[in-house]
Amino acid sequence: NAGVTQTPKFQVLKTGQSMTLQCAQDMNHNSMYWYRQDPGMGLRLIYYSASEGTTDKGEVPNGYNVSRLNKREFSLRLESAAPSQTSVYFCASRGLTGSGYTFGSGTRLTVV
Amino acid sequence: DAKTTQPNSMESNEEEPVHLPCNHSTISGTDYIHWYRQLPSQGPEYVIHGLTSNVNNRMASLAIAEDRKSSTLILHRATLRDAAVYYCILRDLLNTNFGNEKLTFGTGTRLTIIP
Repeated sequence: NAGVTQTPKFQVLKTGQSMTLQCAQDMNHNSMYWYRQDPGMGLRLIYYSASEGTTDKGEVPNGYNVSRLNKREFSLRLESAAPSQTSVYFCASRGLTGSGYTFGSGTRLTVV
Repeated sequence: DAKTTQPNSMESNEEEPVHLPCNHSTISGTDYIHWYRQLPSQGPEYVIHGLTSNVNNRMASLAIAEDRKSSTLILHRATLRDAAVYYCILRDLLNTNFGNEKLTFGTGTRLTIIP
């Protein structure tokens, strides 16, 4: 099925460990996004990529890096995980015009 | 960016209509009104959007005030599967067309459906 695929779905990290969250979309969308959602809160934008080859910071970029590997894939890396990064991470994409955003099912990350 | 205001929570009985309000008094002429919803343990999903006229689709209807300072998402016959957090979001057409748009979420309205 067409959509946004995120891996892994769940992850537990120790403080200081690193990991990369993967996101891929098969809808030929230009723009891709990474959000985090903490309990009881709305989504906050971490980084986004308006098109292949470009990335920009969102509202809460500290502690994260991103790579737009190609048009399909947009990864989020935590170089040194901290407990404050415990959250649910959502990847999203959209086409060039005013179409709706398509979100992945999320990665639930716990940092202990 | 123009902001929206929604009630924190609402309840409705199953199989009855639900009206979810949203205030956006600082909306600009190029802002589209979008609604997303987030079911438990899932990512948000698109529901409906509009600019000036009322809109209908298979999921819901969107009623937009004449001055565009408020809107209402209408679920015509709520089911238990409609229990979710509903987000009202403004999207600036100018940013949308240039690809550098950043969708900003508030805390939304948590809708509870009573069987």
